[in-house]
Amino acid sequence: DADVTQTPRNRITKTGKRIMLECSQTKGHDRMYWYRQDPGLGLRLIYYSFDVKDINKGEISDGYSVSRQAQAKFSLSLESAIPNQTALYFCATSDSGTGNNEQFFGPGTRLTVL
Amino acid sequence: SQELEQSPQSLIVQEGKNLTINCTSSKTLYGLYWYKQKYGEGLIFLMMLQKGGEEKSHEKITAKLDEKKQQSSLHITASQPSHAGIYLCGADTGGYQKVTFGIGTKLQVIP
Repeated sequence: DADVTQTPRNRITKTGKRIMLECSQTKGHDRMYWYRQDPGLGLRLIYYSFDVKDINKGEISDGYSVSRQAQAKFSLSLESAIPNQTALYFCATSDSGTGNNEQFFGPGTRLTVL
Repeated sequence: SQELEQSPQSLIVQEGKNLTINCTSSKTLYGLYWYKQKYGEGLIFLMMLQKGGEEKSHEKITAKLDEKKQQSSLHITASQPSHAGIYLCGADTGGYQKVTFGIGTKLQVIP
């Protein structure tokens, strides 16, 4: 089984709808991240969490919110989806105990907002 | 990210040829990570470099870190179709807080 899983893998929604993307990990890592990937813009950080009680904004957090329900779960919400939020979304984890920031990525969620 | 520049952005090579991808940071590098992504899929970790002058190899892929130049290079020897994908570098410039990623280099290997 994959160490970092994301659900759903694909989602098509309409403008104005609320949508939640979920991420679960079995690696026992304390740090979790949400990124979006767009052609020509690369991978950009939306939010990150260093433990269950810690939530931090990344470089593009507007229009998004997150919840760290448990060490293993980190969900990303779009309160009112808009077409420019169409992108490939990745969840990632890392272990603060390693002394480095090697990140392990989920398979991605392809979101289309019509 | 403008903090991290990758070059070239796209590369097409004949199978068997060598190639190099560069990643340059505008900030001091505390760690440099290389990932490979198959189109539309997740990122697979390749290598991590933390010390100036460090060089690591995995199969036919070698990565080096030039701390003074704040630059890393990824070199593939005798490329194969299986090397095709997007190569992304990620830089830790703030002491293990978060990683900034480059736009990526799209590599195509023609049989």
